[in-house]
Amino acid sequence: QSVLTQPPSVSGAPGQRVTISCTGGDSNIGLGYDVHWYQQRPGTAPKLLIFGNKNRPSGVPDRFSGSKSGTSASLAITGLRADDEADYYCQSYDILLSGSVFGGGTKVTVL
Amino acid sequence: EVQLVESGGGSIQPGGSLTLSCVASGFAFDDHAMHWVRQRPGKGLEWVSGITWNSGKVGYGDSVKDRFIVSRENAKNSVYLRLSRLEPADTALYYCARDSEPNYYDSYKLDVWGRGTPVTVSS
Repeated sequence: QSVLTQPPSVSGAPGQRVTISCTGGDSNIGLGYDVHWYQQRPGTAPKLLIFGNKNRPSGVPDRFSGSKSGTSASLAITGLRADDEADYYCQSYDILLSGSVFGGGTKVTVL
Repeated sequence: EVQLVESGGGSIQPGGSLTLSCVASGFAFDDHAMHWVRQRPGKGLEWVSGITWNSGKVGYGDSVKDRFIVSRENAKNSVYLRLSRLEPADTALYYCARDSEPNYYDSYKLDVWGRGTPVTVSS
């Protein structure tokens, strides 16, 4: 059971918009700690996708956006493409665990 | 090219020990904290450990505390993870990752990842 809760899967047709939620609590996201998002394509290492809740590293398309409110964060993907099929993980810090925590991951399927 | 290359993984019996290594290249190693993250087969990511740029502070996930030890040698651009009292639940792909900041507790933003080294714990 992950400290940060994500839906196991989301799907959408090419060109559509999908969102992935990441629900935490008062010991992590709710305390104001940053949320980062990672994309992991099959058989590859994770890649930083969003940092500091809403910022994109250079090279990440603006189709990907992040937001945070209260004890939750969200990742949105617009203009869904076949190569967006991957697992997506949120990450934050938890003060009770004194360490970083990841969400359980969400598999995005492009129909 | 900025790169992290892990090594040292393998098959080991429960109760055994193993040391993983990660060699960095293409950036100023001692400007960055480093982390280890693992992924059990078919499962999600789990933060294992972090170490500041100067080894002044280290941190561990609850499931490995008191069994794993992280260290680094800046002169060799290397970070290590000593795994002890291994259990079948430690079977995973172990990734080395760079933090964008010198002190991992300020960030946990993992901006460069290696390809991982596999560890299998089985009798």
